[in-house]
Amino acid sequence: ETGVTQSPTHLIKTRGQQVTLRCSSQSGHNTVSWYQQALGQGPQFIFQYYREEENGRGNFPPRFSGLQFPNYSSELNVNALELDDSALYLCASSFDQAGANVLTFGAGSRLTVL
Amino acid sequence: AQSVSQHNHHVILSEAASLELGCNYSYGGTVNLFWYVQYPGQHLQLLLKYFSGDPLVKGIKGFEAEFIKSKFSFNLRKPSVQWSDTAEYFCAVNARGGYNKLIFGAGTRLAVHP
Repeated sequence: ETGVTQSPTHLIKTRGQQVTLRCSSQSGHNTVSWYQQALGQGPQFIFQYYREEENGRGNFPPRFSGLQFPNYSSELNVNALELDDSALYLCASSFDQAGANVLTFGAGSRLTVL
Repeated sequence: AQSVSQHNHHVILSEAASLELGCNYSYGGTVNLFWYVQYPGQHLQLLLKYFSGDPLVKGIKGFEAEFIKSKFSFNLRKPSVQWSDTAEYFCAVNARGGYNKLIFGAGTRLAVHP
């Protein structure tokens, strides 16, 4: 089975720009979650998508948005980038949306905002 | 608010030493508990999980963890560490019955010297 793949692996943007990060979920998984991991911290939950709908959101502003497609892949979009958005963005997929499902993580997309 | 606290940010051990990493969580309801590990250059991966039943759970590579409900703790242990256990370890919790929003601790970076 294929794991979770993310692209791009690294990118550099300037303040005010917009970025789109992409994620392909593991085969057989229908739920995708996104996490932000700042340097020296644990991952922080951004949101979860299930059946193409956002069904849970963490403490992130509306300029963080996402999509899930019929093949369960997903995008994370961040508008009006700020310096503090510099972080590793992790995508995770799971068999279902419930908390008893183990997350499979991708390698992440490292975003640097200058 | 839900939170996870990991007591040690950096731990240095010699091979064959015993390991215990502390994890305490704050949450008013019933939880699922996880330990994830990130080896150098690799994805976050599940080490072990507790949903219900026997509070002593065993994971991969000889790791185990004990859930003590009265102390809101889920400490990770290994009797004898190896150089290959060098990694960052994250404790995480989510609400049982809820959607899959994991709350992570800040992580503990373990270095094992030969």
